[in-house]
Amino acid sequence: GDSVTQMEGPVTLSEEAFLTINCTYTATGYPSLFWYVQYPGEGLQLLLKATKADDKGSNKGFEATYRKETTSFHLEKGSVQVSDSAVYFCALSRANRDDKIIFGKGTRLHILP
Amino acid sequence: EADIYQTPRYLVIGTGKKITLECSQTMGHDKMYWYQQDPGMELHLIHYSYGVNSTEKGDLSSESTVSRIRTEHFPLTLESARPSHTSQYLCASRARDNSPLHFGNGTRLTVT
Repeated sequence: GDSVTQMEGPVTLSEEAFLTINCTYTATGYPSLFWYVQYPGEGLQLLLKATKADDKGSNKGFEATYRKETTSFHLEKGSVQVSDSAVYFCALSRANRDDKIIFGKGTRLHILP
Repeated sequence: EADIYQTPRYLVIGTGKKITLECSQTMGHDKMYWYQQDPGMELHLIHYSYGVNSTEKGDLSSESTVSRIRTEHFPLTLESARPSHTSQYLCASRARDNSPLHFGNGTRLTVT
């Protein structure tokens, strides 16, 4: 079945460091791909999305490119801030009757000042 | 600002009590979902709905039940709470296939 695998955390970085959180997926057809972020005490928020191969999603300095050849959707940011400390979830969605969203297990990110 | 609302935010209740977790959205979305989030952060789908009078069980077996009498309202009920039900419960909705999910801020349930 369809699945999402993302790197395990926690990931700890210093402020202004470069961030990569790896995400790979297994799916039939052409799913849409998402990154969600969860700040402490809150629900998940959409961070960015991509709906077809080679699309690049971007928001708040974060980017991810839909790579069908490597079935990947890695999240990157050039210079992280303390306020980026949160849990990040990679997810895929399929447009069919079985309308489920498949989430990765989440990656906790700590940014040190 | 959240367009999907969950109440209560926190609930501490004794074993055997009946509880209902409320979820409402103002966006007119047909599709709604309940997730259980364990302390390790992983999300587990426990119920979903395609629209009024539609409810389906999710991937994780749950003793809870849901109803969908109105588009905007998707409450979750536990008839008899147990300590194993202690968790965070997240409600979400979306407009159509492949559109992003909108999440509420969750209800953190503790059963003593």
